[in-house]
Amino acid sequence: KAGVTQTPRYLIKTRGQQVTLSCSPISGHRSVSWYQQTPGQGLQFLFEYFSETQRNKGNFPGRFSGRQFSNSRSEMNVSTLELGDSALYLCASKGQAAYEQYFGPGTRLTVT
Amino acid sequence: EDQVTQSPEALRLQEGESSSLNCSYTVSGLRGLFWYRQDPGKGPEFLFTLYSAGEEKEKERLKATLTKKESFLHITAPKPEDSATYLCAVQGVGGGSNYKLTFGKGTLLTVNP
Repeated sequence: KAGVTQTPRYLIKTRGQQVTLSCSPISGHRSVSWYQQTPGQGLQFLFEYFSETQRNKGNFPGRFSGRQFSNSRSEMNVSTLELGDSALYLCASKGQAAYEQYFGPGTRLTVT
Repeated sequence: EDQVTQSPEALRLQEGESSSLNCSYTVSGLRGLFWYRQDPGKGPEFLFTLYSAGEEKEKERLKATLTKKESFLHITAPKPEDSATYLCAVQGVGGGSNYKLTFGKGTLLTVNP
């Protein structure tokens, strides 16, 4: 079974721009979560979606948003990029029968 | 708020030298404790889920155990390919803990040949 896929893998943006990242979950998984990973803060939860509904959200500013489509694919958007948004953005999916989440390879975002 | 603390931050072992990594956690109620392995530039790879105190899980040279306040990841006779960052995460019960993993900062394990 194919794993979680994320596109693009690498991205370089300028301060003030916006960016959209995409995630395709493992086939049959309907829950998709997003995390930000930085050297200083580690992995931090952004939000979780299930059946196109956001069920939980972390402590990030409103510039960070997401959505989920009917096929369970998800996107996250960051508007008005800041230098501190440079990070590895990870997507994870979860099946309904268990609690463990399976991660994709991540999108490395660099803001200059 | 759920909290996870991992120690040590870094651990260097010789091949074959067994050791343990620690994960201390605070949650109002534990839905699950998870161990992941992360190689540089890659996403975390799922290793184990533990649900209740006293539970143990094993996979090759790794064994995870759980008490009411901490979890240990025991590495027996490690090999250089076990070198990675090991992450511990918890999911609590209810409210802001739902559907969310709270991670520790990880332990960077280096195994020298």
